[in-house]
Amino acid sequence: DIQMTQSPSSLSASVGDRVTITCRASQSISSYLNWYQQKPGKAPKLLIYAASSLQSGVPSRFSGSGSGTDFTLTISSLQPEDFATYYCQQSYSTPVTFGQGTRLEIK
Amino acid sequence: QVQLQESGPGLVKPSETLSLTCTVSGGSISSYYWSWIRQPPGKGLEWIGYIYYSGSTNYNPSLKSRVTISVDTSKNQFSLKLSSVTAADTAVYYCARVARGCSGGSCYPYNWFDPWGQGTLVTVSS
Repeated sequence: DIQMTQSPSSLSASVGDRVTITCRASQSISSYLNWYQQKPGKAPKLLIYAASSLQSGVPSRFSGSGSGTDFTLTISSLQPEDFATYYCQQSYSTPVTFGQGTRLEIK
Repeated sequence: QVQLQESGPGLVKPSETLSLTCTVSGGSISSYYWSWIRQPPGKGLEWIGYIYYSGSTNYNPSLKSRVTISVDTSKNQFSLKLSSVTAADTAVYYCARVARGCSGGSCYPYNWFDPWGQGTLVTVSS
């Protein structure tokens, strides 16, 4: 199975900050990398697919980049509703696997 | 737009079989792939498997010996059965649609998930 490792595991930031979350795959996955946002008690929501494509309806302050083994999710200017847990997920091969999550908290 | 809703018992006894159903509304189950994903309390996400509307399946090897996913196109539903459950199977279970690509009359899964159901907590306890 492909292992996905996110860093940091948790992060404190303020409204208006620029935030970057990193995801590393245990082997090359080309651009088969997706990002989800999960709020407490809710299902995950797809933000970014294929490393850099913004899902319809997702604000443009979210962006993704990377290929191979290293990927980033960037939020350009944090909004109050962005405080949540973020997961990366590889779709290169089955079983699909997720990172352990990055919890984004208010500073 | 397409909406998914999980249903089934919230409490299952150890060694018994967990059974859940996902009802798809606002669109047809046909021509798509559909998946089950779970999340133990306070932990991360684990993919269980997916099914194509035609009935073909792909399971996580870690669960394959205990998992069956089936589809009922007449009811616009797909289902999960997980046998011989233990406390380690306690989790929120989500159903989700798998993104797909189609070419030359064939469709294939992209293996990212949207939309998701709201999730249902299943507790394994005597």
